[in-house]
Amino acid sequence: DSGVTQTPKHLITATGQRVTLRCSPRSGDLSVYWYQQSLDQGLQFLIQYYNGEERAKGNILERFSAQQFPDLHSELNLSSLELGDSALYFCASSVDGANTEAFFGQGTRLTVV
Amino acid sequence: GIQVEQSPPDLILQEGANSTLRCNFSDSVNNLQWFHQNPWGQLINLFYIPSGTKQNGRLSATTVATERYSLLYISSSQTTDSGVYFCAPRTARQLTFGSGTQLTVLP
Repeated sequence: DSGVTQTPKHLITATGQRVTLRCSPRSGDLSVYWYQQSLDQGLQFLIQYYNGEERAKGNILERFSAQQFPDLHSELNLSSLELGDSALYFCASSVDGANTEAFFGQGTRLTVV
Repeated sequence: GIQVEQSPPDLILQEGANSTLRCNFSDSVNNLQWFHQNPWGQLINLFYIPSGTKQNGRLSATTVATERYSLLYISSSQTTDSGVYFCAPRTARQLTFGSGTQLTVLP
């Protein structure tokens, strides 16, 4: 158990819908990252937050948004879902977001039908 | 952005065999991690290794940051070692994953 908690574990939804994925970082970690793993794209970095502020942005679509709350948990919102958004979404956390080890949650498997 | 290449892409071993997985990266990095993704999809931390050599049981890793590569050694492989092994160098912006090495260990 990495200490990073993601909910839900599985999600099945229809095209055009909106979903929210939740992540609770390890105790003491200030930085949260989101990654998408699809069969054809591998593990792609989406976005990073540090202590509530956006720190880095990767290949995140405009239909996707994220935030980190004062209690340091984070949510990833995916809207206007398409079939191609089906993937495993990982959250990771680390102490400082730059030079410390990152730990990953178990992932949320999203299936868009 | 940084380019990360892992080799070989696929590896099939007989139980008990040894193997070396390689990770090349194109830019200077702050640190580097190795992960094992098991058949259930979990990403398990193996090593946090900015430079030098570390060992954990049957696994060891070496990173030569000045030459931009890292190696993961698996000795006396077991069927439970099967899965995908990823290296992920970290730049100032992000942890970038390679495409992985798919390891299959046969009984």
